[in-house]
Amino acid sequence: EAGVVQSPRYKIIEKKQPVAFWCNPISGHNTLYWYRQNLGQGPELLIRYENEEAVDDSQLPKDRFSAERLKGVDSTLKIQPAELGDSAVYLCASSLGRLAGYNEQYFGPGTRLTVT
Amino acid sequence: AQSVTQPDIHITVSEGASLELRCNYSYGATPYLFWYVQSPGQGLQLLLKYFSGDTLVQGIKGFEAEFKRSQSSFNLRKPSVHWSDAAEYFCAVGGGAGKSTFGDGTTLTVKP
Repeated sequence: EAGVVQSPRYKIIEKKQPVAFWCNPISGHNTLYWYRQNLGQGPELLIRYENEEAVDDSQLPKDRFSAERLKGVDSTLKIQPAELGDSAVYLCASSLGRLAGYNEQYFGPGTRLTVT
Repeated sequence: AQSVTQPDIHITVSEGASLELRCNYSYGATPYLFWYVQSPGQGLQLLLKYFSGDTLVQGIKGFEAEFKRSQSSFNLRKPSVHWSDAAEYFCAVGGGAGKSTFGDGTTLTVKP
């Protein structure tokens, strides 16, 4: 069974440029998460989807961050414009979803973003 | 609000020695508790989880953890550490709504 797929793995951009990250969750997983992991810290939730609905986006900086999960499968996280402080690893995770009880999350390898 | 504290930022143990990583949590109800491991450049891999029942849970790679409600702790243990266990370890607490809060991690170094 394929795991959570993320691309790109690494991205270097200049500040004020846009950037997008893509995530393909495990087949059949209804819940998808985007996390940001700063150096030396644990992951922090940015947004959680149940199917195509964003059910928790309270930590998403909406002035510059946006996300979508069309058709309830793949998801894209975008930053526009990027700032120096956005340098971090962006992790995508998926789980079976709330109708299956609370299941563990499966993480992708992450995208390491460097903003110069 | 839920929170997790991992008091040890960095731990060094000799190969073959025992290991205990500490985790303290704050949560208003019975928590769901997790331990994840992250190797450099990789995502997080679940080692074990506690939802209910037996407070001593077994995980993959020979790890175990014990839930102690009175101490709000969920410490991770391994009787004999291998060099391949060197990584960063994260404790997380979650509830039924599907939201997990992670600690800041403990980096494990294994001496030969």
